[in-house]
Amino acid sequence: GESVGLHLPTLSVQEGDNSIINCAYSNSASDYFIWYKQESGKGPQFIIDIRSNMDKRQGQRVTVLLNKTVKHLSLQIAATQPGDSAVYFCAESNNFNKFYFGSGTKLNVKP
Amino acid sequence: SAVISQKPSRDICQRGTSLTIQCQVDSQVTMMFWYRQQPGQSLTLIATANQGSEATYESGFVIDKFPISRPNLTFSTLTVSNMSPEDSSIYLCSVDEGSTDTQYFGPGTRLTVL
Repeated sequence: GESVGLHLPTLSVQEGDNSIINCAYSNSASDYFIWYKQESGKGPQFIIDIRSNMDKRQGQRVTVLLNKTVKHLSLQIAATQPGDSAVYFCAESNNFNKFYFGSGTKLNVKP
Repeated sequence: SAVISQKPSRDICQRGTSLTIQCQVDSQVTMMFWYRQQPGQSLTLIATANQGSEATYESGFVIDKFPISRPNLTFSTLTVSNMSPEDSSIYLCSVDEGSTDTQYFGPGTRLTVL
């Protein structure tokens, strides 16, 4: 499968600050990307997605940026809250069905 | 989004035995998938559960070890056969919401093999 990796395995931020989680992917044919949040003992929860015909997509407090030139994906969380503490995964797909996951980044939000 | 449940939520099993994990969706879905998440690791796709035909396995996973059933559009099972401690993982099912192609996950089954 495709190789999807992350630059930072652990990220600590102060409550109220913005968080940026990065992800690199290897398959230039990937055309759909999803960010998931996984809390301890739970399954991954969909946060936001983006298709390859877009560079940016915004949700509530979250923004995903896609740079196809360097095969890089980022998740920005505004005004990070303690409830945002979790492991975040990016996932890529090139046929809208099978997804390949990055190694994950643990986000610690300090009160 | 679809509501996905899994049974059991967790189990502790003896080496050499088999465990069947169930995945139930509250609506009909075309695509269902099974993933494995080893301790502290990311998710790895095991197979695509195809309704009415044999599952499609990813490299490194075989039907004899992970037989899968998909009798209808709302249900699938994954069996972990002849278990060893290396099979200790969280097993997750996911579904493809056909209208958006977004994939949603169940809560997972935490398996410990002694």
